[in-house]
Amino acid sequence: EPEVTQTPSHQVTQMGQEVILRCVPISNHLYFYWYRQILGQKVEFLVSFYNNEISEKSEIFDDQFSVERPDGSNFTLKIRSTKLEDSAMYFCASSAGRDPSYNEQFFGPGTRLTVL
Amino acid sequence: QQQVKQSPQSLIVQKGGISIINCAYENTAFDYFPWYQQFPGKGPALLIAIRPDVSEKKEGRFTISFNKSAKQFSLHIMDSQPGDSATYFCAATFSGTYKYIFGTGTRLKVLA
Repeated sequence: EPEVTQTPSHQVTQMGQEVILRCVPISNHLYFYWYRQILGQKVEFLVSFYNNEISEKSEIFDDQFSVERPDGSNFTLKIRSTKLEDSAMYFCASSAGRDPSYNEQFFGPGTRLTVL
Repeated sequence: QQQVKQSPQSLIVQKGGISIINCAYENTAFDYFPWYQQFPGKGPALLIAIRPDVSEKKEGRFTISFNKSAKQFSLHIMDSQPGDSATYFCAATFSGTYKYIFGTGTRLKVLA
């Protein structure tokens, strides 16, 4: 069964460093997403991406975040200068179609980011 | 208000019992309410979902009850099994957005 994969499973970094979280969406999916979950809190939407453009982003997704599809299979989230409050589980998701009411978003297992 | 409030935070149920998780929302524009199940080390996976034009949806041992006037919906797991032990997230969305708005999650433990 196709699945979304994410690497690494755990990333530890120093405050101020840049990190890149990687995802391989399901191969025939066209819409890609990043969510995050701070420990003990809700899963929060960060950004959606389609046709090499951001289609929607939350207020959390500020200038220190960026997303890219560098090739035909990978989807990445870059945090330019990490802060302590960026420590969270980051989930990548993908879907075949646009409307989440009719197109299930499939989630990867997450990358746990720890900022020291 | 684009929030979904979920309770309880954790739940312990005996094998064979009924597990009930509740969610509430404010935004009447929401038109789709999925429940996601997450096992340790795995991403959330869609379990069951409902639209507001029905009051109940059942799939096997899992049932969503939906109360549109109260803006509440709940997940019922009948005959709970140890294999149901996981974290459950309710969510909501509406046409015109790309995102799901999630609740805070409920960690369910079913005792053998």
